[in-house]
Amino acid sequence: NAGVTQTPKFRVLKTGQSMTLLCAQDMNHEYMYWYRQDPGMGLRLIHYSVGEGTTAKGEVPDGYNVSRLKKQNFLLGLESAAPSQTSVYFCASTTGTVVQYFGPGTRLTVL
Amino acid sequence: EDQVTQSPEALRLQEGESSSLNCSYTVSGLRGLFWYRQDPGKGPEFLFTLYSAGEEKEKERLKATLTKKESFLHITAPKPEDSATYLCAVLSGGSYIPTFGRGTSLIVHP
Repeated sequence: NAGVTQTPKFRVLKTGQSMTLLCAQDMNHEYMYWYRQDPGMGLRLIHYSVGEGTTAKGEVPDGYNVSRLKKQNFLLGLESAAPSQTSVYFCASTTGTVVQYFGPGTRLTVL
Repeated sequence: EDQVTQSPEALRLQEGESSSLNCSYTVSGLRGLFWYRQDPGKGPEFLFTLYSAGEEKEKERLKATLTKKESFLHITAPKPEDSATYLCAVLSGGSYIPTFGRGTSLIVHP
């Protein structure tokens, strides 16, 4: 049981490049979330999903897109990366018990 | 709108020096209050869930308590390995989106 895994762990992009972050969970959780964490800002919700095939915007969705084609996977896409998207990205999942289980994070730097 | 305020932002303790971290919250119908521990370079790790005022949970040197307006995370005789950032979050009503505080960074010196 790996819990929540994230790929990649680190990435450096140039402004304007695109990339996809992958989150996978093996706990059969319905709900999945993408957060970004910046110094002094805490965790901020980007997008979330309440089930396979559904997604919704969180607090800071601009510049990001998501997809949940399979229940166990939640993808976060950056179509045209900007330096303001330099951050640490965390994925989380939960069931109806509402405790969120977090992945190890992806550290993204946009030059 | 749910709000969570954690204090202090940073806390330095000597090994063995007990203290408390505070999480003040405003929420419309508390469904749960959560404490997480986050080590540098890692994702938050779940510690406790509290559901109603008066409830307490313990784990090793940590004890979480809850009132109608705030929660405390008491750390008894801390050790250097307790150094981490501690996050508090609340969940209200029928929502599945928790509101997180900005955390308290705890450093325990040997």
